[in-house]
Amino acid sequence: AQSVTQLDSQVPVFEEAPVELRCNYSSSVSVYLFWYVQYPNQGLQLLLKYLSGSTLVKGINGFEAEFNKSQTSFHLRKPSVHISDTAEYFCAVSDPSGYSTLTFGKGTMLLVSP
Amino acid sequence: NAGVTQTPKFQVLKTGQSMTLQCAQDMNHNSMYWYRQDPGMGLRLIYYSASEGTTDKGEVPNGYNVSRLNKREFSLRLESAAPSQTSVYFCASSLRDYNYEQYFGPGTRLTVT
Repeated sequence: AQSVTQLDSQVPVFEEAPVELRCNYSSSVSVYLFWYVQYPNQGLQLLLKYLSGSTLVKGINGFEAEFNKSQTSFHLRKPSVHISDTAEYFCAVSDPSGYSTLTFGKGTMLLVSP
Repeated sequence: NAGVTQTPKFQVLKTGQSMTLQCAQDMNHNSMYWYRQDPGMGLRLIYYSASEGTTDKGEVPNGYNVSRLNKREFSLRLESAAPSQTSVYFCASSLRDYNYEQYFGPGTRLTVT
């Protein structure tokens, strides 16, 4: 069985500051990793994904994440946040059986203030 | 393309009532999923359909049934609603059945009183 731990339920940050949202996963096999964003009262939108290859993955809206296999982590970063980045962020790991089911973390609420 | 659509957007039920949540996608995806989202719990998979004609249980299937009506449509039915089923329900679809991006609908907010 797989699991995902998002270490912070809420991260407050000031506009233009850097931010890191932490994600650790547990799996006995190779996995694919995803970060999704949910803006208020909307569905989820994919930010970025790691399938294979370079461990540094760039996504939309200036976000990037680094896959670290030895630490089983996939932390999300942005060098300078905007007010519009205020949203909930979910880390997810795929089911290696091949049916694309995802196991989600509990989410991290990013609160950007002026 | 409308992507993934869900109806209704909001619903209030009394305990014991039944209802069906509808989901449709126009992206020719073969896999479809139903999740529920509760505060502090993230998204949990209820049921999924890897391809037309197949359905499988996810993490929290109790109290729900699903039907993959055709390639486009995947419905979720609550036969006898309970207050514990108060949640936001999301439908998603993906292009292929091996680790491809899932596309999400806007959600249905269900309250059971």
